[in-house]
Amino acid sequence: AQRVTQPEKLLSVFKGAPVELKCNYSYSGSPELFWYVQYSRQRLQLLLRHISRESIKGFTADLNKGETSFHLKKPFAQEEDSAMYYCALSSTGTYKYIFGTGTRLKVLA
Amino acid sequence: KAGVTQTPRYLIKTRGQQVTLSCSPISGHRSVSWYQQTPGQGLQFLFEYFSETQRNKGNFPGRFSGRQFSNSRSEMNVSTLELGDSALYLCASSLGDGGNEQFFGPGTRLTVL
Repeated sequence: AQRVTQPEKLLSVFKGAPVELKCNYSYSGSPELFWYVQYSRQRLQLLLRHISRESIKGFTADLNKGETSFHLKKPFAQEEDSAMYYCALSSTGTYKYIFGTGTRLKVLA
Repeated sequence: KAGVTQTPRYLIKTRGQQVTLSCSPISGHRSVSWYQQTPGQGLQFLFEYFSETQRNKGNFPGRFSGRQFSNSRSEMNVSTLELGDSALYLCASSLGDGGNEQFFGPGTRLTVL
């Protein structure tokens, strides 16, 4: 079954510390992976996608097909990174979009 | 380009009533997806419409239904409301080709009393 798992509901780190938000997926084909972010009182929006292989706001994510993971990382967390983060998988075959349950990141001063 | 709009933004209903939510996608987008967002369950997929046809469906009861019009605008209907239906309902539009970015609306906050 297609599934996206984010094992942590809440992740608290101190400002300046590294952060890693975990995402594992289950999919039999070749999925496209995304990270979406929802800041307080803002819309859910795309943060980055694996095919672009770019760094957005200092965040990067590498698709590891062997471990079926797409963890989101940032070397030095900032207070403005505090938000809800969702990992998502899209299937080009079925056009399905599957979201994980989300991880709330709190960056402490 | 105007973003995804949803109306109304807030709704208060009582158990047993029905409700219709509306979503206008970004111009040119043919796919509209609906999600239920709650603190406990996160983002749960309801259904997706593409060119007026339901293309994908989540695991929600038949009380939840939707439709899409020829201009890609979409409506979602919930009949016989239950307390547990209280949530933020989000719609998202995309080109619909698969693997596309989804653009989200601000949501409709539904409270069932």
